[in-house]
Amino acid sequence: ETGVTQTPRHLVMGMTNKKSLKCEQHLGHNAMYWYKQSAKKPLELMFVYNFKEQTENNSVPSRFSPECPNSSHLFLHLHTLQPEDSALYLCASSKEGQLTYEQYFGPGTRLTVT
Amino acid sequence: AQTVTQSQPEMSVQEAETVTLSCTYDTSESNYYLFWYKQPPSRQMILVIRQEAYKQQNATENRFSVNFQKAAKSFSLKISDSQLGDTAMYFCAFMNSGGYQKVTFGTGTKLQVIP
Repeated sequence: ETGVTQTPRHLVMGMTNKKSLKCEQHLGHNAMYWYKQSAKKPLELMFVYNFKEQTENNSVPSRFSPECPNSSHLFLHLHTLQPEDSALYLCASSKEGQLTYEQYFGPGTRLTVT
Repeated sequence: AQTVTQSQPEMSVQEAETVTLSCTYDTSESNYYLFWYKQPPSRQMILVIRQEAYKQQNATENRFSVNFQKAAKSFSLKISDSQLGDTAMYFCAFMNSGGYQKVTFGTGTKLQVIP
């Protein structure tokens, strides 16, 4: 275990549904990330938060809406998704100023859009 | 923009043998960090090894070592004495040192260790 948890682990939703993914870290990190992992493609960075402030939005469609209420929690709100949004969504965290710059990943949420 | 290329989508190795995974990257930066991450089947991604570009010495972590060729922009991972637990996806990743912690990943190499 890396200290980063994600819920739910699996999610099936229709194109008209609204759902949220949750990420939580207990490592004292100040930066949190959302990545999209699709087969045979590099991990795609979606959003970065540092001290609860969004510092990166990698041209993500507005049907994905992140929320970071504090440095330990990160949400990804989903609405009116498309089938091509089906993927593994990974959350990660890291500590700014940490010399290793290592990112700690959660287990991911396997999302299927029907 | 930085790019990371892993040209071997899949590889296999016999248990106890040595295998090398290749990675090349493209950047105009002089100072940066390179990483190899491991993602076992249905398990969380973890850091295997890290290399700072300003260090000439290749990083080593137990059975894992890298061959960092800065001029060639190459960063290969060598796994010695392969074990069944090494079966996983391996991702090469790049991060600028001066900018924010924005990491660029390769497409991954699926490594199968055969008993």
